[in-house]
Amino acid sequence: QSVLTQPPSVSGAPGQRVTISCTGSSSNIGAGYSVHWYQQLLGTGPKLLIYGNTNRPSGVPDRFSGSKSGTSASLAITGLQAEDEGDYYCQSYDSSLSAGVFGGGTKLTVL
Amino acid sequence: QVQLVQSGAEVKEPGASVKVSCKASGYTFTSYDITWVRQAPGQGLEWMGWVGTYSAKTNYAQRLQGRVTMTTDTSTSTAYMELRSLRSDDTAFYYCARGGASTSSGLDYWGQGTLVTVSS
Repeated sequence: QSVLTQPPSVSGAPGQRVTISCTGSSSNIGAGYSVHWYQQLLGTGPKLLIYGNTNRPSGVPDRFSGSKSGTSASLAITGLQAEDEGDYYCQSYDSSLSAGVFGGGTKLTVL
Repeated sequence: QVQLVQSGAEVKEPGASVKVSCKASGYTFTSYDITWVRQAPGQGLEWMGWVGTYSAKTNYAQRLQGRVTMTTDTSTSTAYMELRSLRSDDTAFYYCARGGASTSSGLDYWGQGTLVTVSS
């Protein structure tokens, strides 16, 4: 299993808000390391969605937002659109492993 | 514009080695580390390791220690990932990405991916 824990799937209707959680531990998120989020649409490579816990790269809509508290982080998507359907991954650094770590990924379905 | 262009798909037999290249352009190569990530069919992302483009330091995932080597050629702005003693479960898309593991900026640009198939 992954060092960072994400729900396998979430779903929502168009226009709704969904959140995806990412739970870590005191050696990664809880140690203060940044959390990043990636979006992977069907048949494409990953794309950086949120970096440094809360920051959006240029071109990412403000419907996407990130937060972090303690040993967990969350990605929120408001105003769901059909084009948001895909897989979402959180990523951080783990000091006990001395390595980067990914969450297992969450499949977002837009109903 | 920043681009990472990877080498083409490979088919290898079990026990063989593969070397994937990642050519960077559009930025100063030695200003950012390169991280390698792989994704088996239908599975999630797996962090493989990173290589310092200025320092040449490396840091590999424990499960790949001894089988993987990551290098760079600063004269051509190219990073390489070599994986040896290939097994069937090494079949995956291999991605290079700009950035290191512990930075606050994430992996901001990705290569298009290289499919490595291990099959007899």
